[in-house]
Amino acid sequence: EADIYQTPRYLVIGTGKKITLECSQTMGHDKMYWYQQDPGMELHLIHYSYGVNSTEKGDLSSESTVSRIRTEHFPLTLESARPSHTSQYLCASSDWGQEGGYTFGSGTRLTVV
Amino acid sequence: GQNIDQPTEMTATEGAIVQINCTYQTSGFNGLFWYQQHAGEAPTFLSYNVLDGLEEKGRFSSFLSRSKGYSYLLLKELQMKDSASYLCAVSLNTGGFKTIFGAGTRLFVKA
Repeated sequence: EADIYQTPRYLVIGTGKKITLECSQTMGHDKMYWYQQDPGMELHLIHYSYGVNSTEKGDLSSESTVSRIRTEHFPLTLESARPSHTSQYLCASSDWGQEGGYTFGSGTRLTVV
Repeated sequence: GQNIDQPTEMTATEGAIVQINCTYQTSGFNGLFWYQQHAGEAPTFLSYNVLDGLEEKGRFSSFLSRSKGYSYLLLKELQMKDSASYLCAVSLNTGGFKTIFGAGTRLFVKA
């Protein structure tokens, strides 16, 4: 079944640690996105990609990086986690026409202590 | 700048009809989306409007007026499971088809 997967679902980590949030999709979508969402707040775009070897920063300043070596895989890395990074991270993908909207993964809820 | 406004909360009764409004001020409009998000879950796509007018999908309808920067989501025959946040989002064609989201309207459906 075509879908989008995020791991881990929950993560508690200490300050200063390096972490990678995984996102994979099996829908063959070219476009992929990372959003950050705090409870009850709007989604903020932090990174996006239009295809292999294409990555762009979004509107939210973030100390994170992404890579897109394969169409299906779009991991997000925090080199040094801080308590201010505590949030929910949502990965999404879409086709070029976007008529079907974004398909979101289940999210990773990150807590940095 | 880019701005999307929607009411913070609404309450409606099971079986009733509710209209959730959204106004936007953006550059490079490419289309408007509505998403449903239950607490603690990811958003799920409901509708997409690119031309003015009404799009109907079962119990859900969405309307767009590009000249007024206005959209609404209409939910009919409300059910308890419709209690969720409803996110209005605009796709921009500046800087490459990014989508910005409103803060969402939390809908409470009561018996």
